[in-house]
Amino acid sequence: DVKVTQSSRYLVKRTGEKVFLECVQDMDHENMFWYRQDPGLGLRLIYFSYDVKMKEKGDIPEGYSVSREKKERFSLILESASTNQTSMYLCASSLRGRYNSPLHFGNGTRLTVT
Amino acid sequence: GENVEQHPSTLSVQEGDSAVIKCTYSDSASNYFPWYKQELGKGPQLIIDIRSNVGEKKDQRIAVTLNKTAKHFSLHITETQPEDSAVYFCAPSGYSTLTFGKGTMLLVSP
Repeated sequence: DVKVTQSSRYLVKRTGEKVFLECVQDMDHENMFWYRQDPGLGLRLIYFSYDVKMKEKGDIPEGYSVSREKKERFSLILESASTNQTSMYLCASSLRGRYNSPLHFGNGTRLTVT
Repeated sequence: GENVEQHPSTLSVQEGDSAVIKCTYSDSASNYFPWYKQELGKGPQLIIDIRSNVGEKKDQRIAVTLNKTAKHFSLHITETQPEDSAVYFCAPSGYSTLTFGKGTMLLVSP
């Protein structure tokens, strides 16, 4: 079974802090994703990476950046956290094929920015 | 972008009843049609999927049906059990798009 591990289940940060969310997958998948999940808004794509050092902006990239230096690891960076970035963040991976193949999700990081 | 609508937003059934959730999409280039189940405190998990060259797929108590002409696909759960209680998401996708529905909260009462 594919395992996608997010480093923290809960994080509390202060406004203006730089925040790193880490994600690791163990199945040599090409693609990795960062989603944000908010009540009433569903899952929205922040960034997508299809290879090491390669990335594409998703629907809501503003205020976020990403890093993929190794195939198994995908990091989401909040350069200066703001209260409107309080949310559940989900990392996912897929084997190949960009968007039209099964996604494997981690269990999420609930981030609170105060 | 793709417009995806999922209905109903909430669904309450008695244990043993059937449940049907429908997903309507707008992009005719979509060719992959998965359903994900999200239990409390967990990430979404793929439960069944179908590709555009197939009309129906079944896996024990769950099935997915696809109508490409009308641009909708549905999740069918028979003989529901309390452990089926969760939020279900559709996510129609093509090579360059993937859009999640807003989710359906299914509650199965014993």
